[in-house]
Amino acid sequence: RKEVEQDPGPFNVPEGATVAFNCTYSNSASQSFFWYRQDCRKEPKLLMSVYSSGNEDGRFTAQLNRASQYISLLIRDSKLSDSATYLCVVNKVRGSQGNLIFGKGTKLSVKP
Amino acid sequence: GAVVSQHPSWVICKSGTSVKIECRSLDFQATTMFWYRQFPKQSLMLMATSNEGSKATYEQGVEKDKFLINHASLTLSTLTVTSAHPEDSSFYICSASLDWPSTDTQYFGPGTRLTVL
Repeated sequence: RKEVEQDPGPFNVPEGATVAFNCTYSNSASQSFFWYRQDCRKEPKLLMSVYSSGNEDGRFTAQLNRASQYISLLIRDSKLSDSATYLCVVNKVRGSQGNLIFGKGTKLSVKP
Repeated sequence: GAVVSQHPSWVICKSGTSVKIECRSLDFQATTMFWYRQFPKQSLMLMATSNEGSKATYEQGVEKDKFLINHASLTLSTLTVTSAHPEDSSFYICSASLDWPSTDTQYFGPGTRLTVL
């Protein structure tokens, strides 16, 4: 099983749609979780951290289910500018070096 | 704040030459810097972790003699790809952290696209 697995997509949605991405991780000892956004040929940028209680930032809602080792990202009212690849990122074990594990990403394309 | 730069942003070189990529934290001191590589349609893969003033820790499968990392100061780390070959063509991204591992946050540079002919 891959350490971080995501549906690669692409997800093609119209403007205004609600879209959800899922991610699973294999290491139950993982400590922290993130969603990054990566535009074509650019570096990844932190979108939001993911907390056990779930958290929301504007149109974006992230949820974590530790029991199922599952993370989700919900985007409401999609904008054209949301088109990007969304990376699920897991910090394996706090205290060890270089332990951010990146998923391959889910590509989102928002159409007019 | 927390800006990381990389230079060059892209480079094309001949097979067999060496290429140096610089990673700088512009407005903070980075105790730890990371080097990643990303092939097309693949995830970022950590190559090595470097702490200022000490030897880098390489991930399994990454040749330390081929990918030389120097972290001489708290604001600069360099990655040298020695005797580059076409299979080394990739997107190389560095990141820097203020206080790893106490904090999870890594600030990413804009990346360097290397093409080896």
